[in-house]
Amino acid sequence: AQSVSQHNHHVILSEAASLELGCNYSYGGTVNLFWYVQYPGQHLQLLLKYFSGDPLVKGIKGFEAEFIKSKFSFNLRKPSVQWSDTAEYFCAVNARRIGGFKTIFGAGTRLFVKA
Amino acid sequence: DTGVSQDPRHKITKRGQNVTFRCDPISEHNRLYWYRQTLGQGPEFLTYFQNEAQLEKSRLLSDRFSAERPKGSFSTLEIQRTEQGDSAMYLCASSRPDREESSGNTIYFGEGSWLTVV
Repeated sequence: AQSVSQHNHHVILSEAASLELGCNYSYGGTVNLFWYVQYPGQHLQLLLKYFSGDPLVKGIKGFEAEFIKSKFSFNLRKPSVQWSDTAEYFCAVNARRIGGFKTIFGAGTRLFVKA
Repeated sequence: DTGVSQDPRHKITKRGQNVTFRCDPISEHNRLYWYRQTLGQGPEFLTYFQNEAQLEKSRLLSDRFSAERPKGSFSTLEIQRTEQGDSAMYLCASSRPDREESSGNTIYFGEGSWLTVV
């Protein structure tokens, strides 16, 4: 069965600090990988996704993530965070397989950026 | 561009009552998903439809839960004889057909329906 593990439940950073949120998944086949963000009071929104090609993907608002297949990882990064990045971040995996298209989410990481 | 819409946004009900949530997906999306989210957790998969067919159900979906998508468009999630443990955000999402490879089966969420069982 697929599973997603996010290493940090809470992260507190000051503005301009660099961010890296860890994500590991367990599934041996071909996967699609996602990061979603949920800003306070808003619904889940897609931040970025990987499904093929360049393992370094760039998303909105300066975020990027790198797929490392050998490590089953898809860590999210941002060189310099802003106060407006305060949100909850969810890593997700969708396995390409016959008959199943469900996307499984990690427990989330709450990021608080101090102004 | 109309996103996924859910109704009602909030529902408070007494234990033992039945509740029903409705989801209208993005119009050209043929797959529809229901998730449940509680505080401090990520969305947990409940079930999904491809057109009107319910293709997978999680074991989280007890016999008190039933989901339908009768015409392959909107969907309903009904919870019978609600329990306090059913209190959660119920999320609906939809996605495009797989033949559009560029979509990578990305799912798009609605704003969710909050359920509080008292």
